[in-house]
Amino acid sequence: DAKTTQPPSMDCAEGRAANLPCNHSTISGNEYVYWYRQIHSQGPQYIIHGLKNNETNEMASLIITEDRKSSTLILPHATLRDTAVYYCIVRSRGSTLGRLYFGRGTQLTVWP
Amino acid sequence: EAGVTQFPSHSVIEKGQTVTLRCDPISGHDNLYWYRRVMGKEIKFLLHFVKESKQDESGMPNNRFLAERTGGTYSTLKVQPAELEDSGVYFCASSQGTLNIRINEQFFGPGTRLTVL
Repeated sequence: DAKTTQPPSMDCAEGRAANLPCNHSTISGNEYVYWYRQIHSQGPQYIIHGLKNNETNEMASLIITEDRKSSTLILPHATLRDTAVYYCIVRSRGSTLGRLYFGRGTQLTVWP
Repeated sequence: EAGVTQFPSHSVIEKGQTVTLRCDPISGHDNLYWYRRVMGKEIKFLLHFVKESKQDESGMPNNRFLAERTGGTYSTLKVQPAELEDSGVYFCASSQGTLNIRINEQFFGPGTRLTVL
């Protein structure tokens, strides 16, 4: 699975959009981009995933660049409860049953 | 529907003692995973069960760790004897599991915080 790079920390005002970037320049054609987050003292939680099209669900939006070398997770109206470590993970379709590789992630702090 | 549950939530033991952690996956999930985070480090994979079989145990740190999943339902992770460096949070996750399911989202439990003194 391709390696990802994320900024170690970001902050965002409550109610504003949080835009979390991820670089995955070595991604290959059959690899998906997944996002998980870990809120303090809880287990990691799946947020969203995508292949090449932008995706949106009730939690977030995922914007993937045309060349697929980077993506952005968007929390449209961040709340204090969105304070967490966010992980961008690249996985091939063939390994979706396998392990997740968690890097350092991005610590997002939402302030009032 | 109940999520992934783990027991105990916290465990404090002395070096050299034995501890057994339990994970109950979501009902019907064939895939069960163990991960851990030691202080200041990333979450690391330990092993993966498919039903009762070990699919991938390449992340197990050493032979002091023994995982079982008898009957393909709940799983236990035993550490014997525990060492100081085993302290951390141990997470269990489960997923539904076939390649026909596009997401194969892993659902995580709240973790067991293990402290070895």
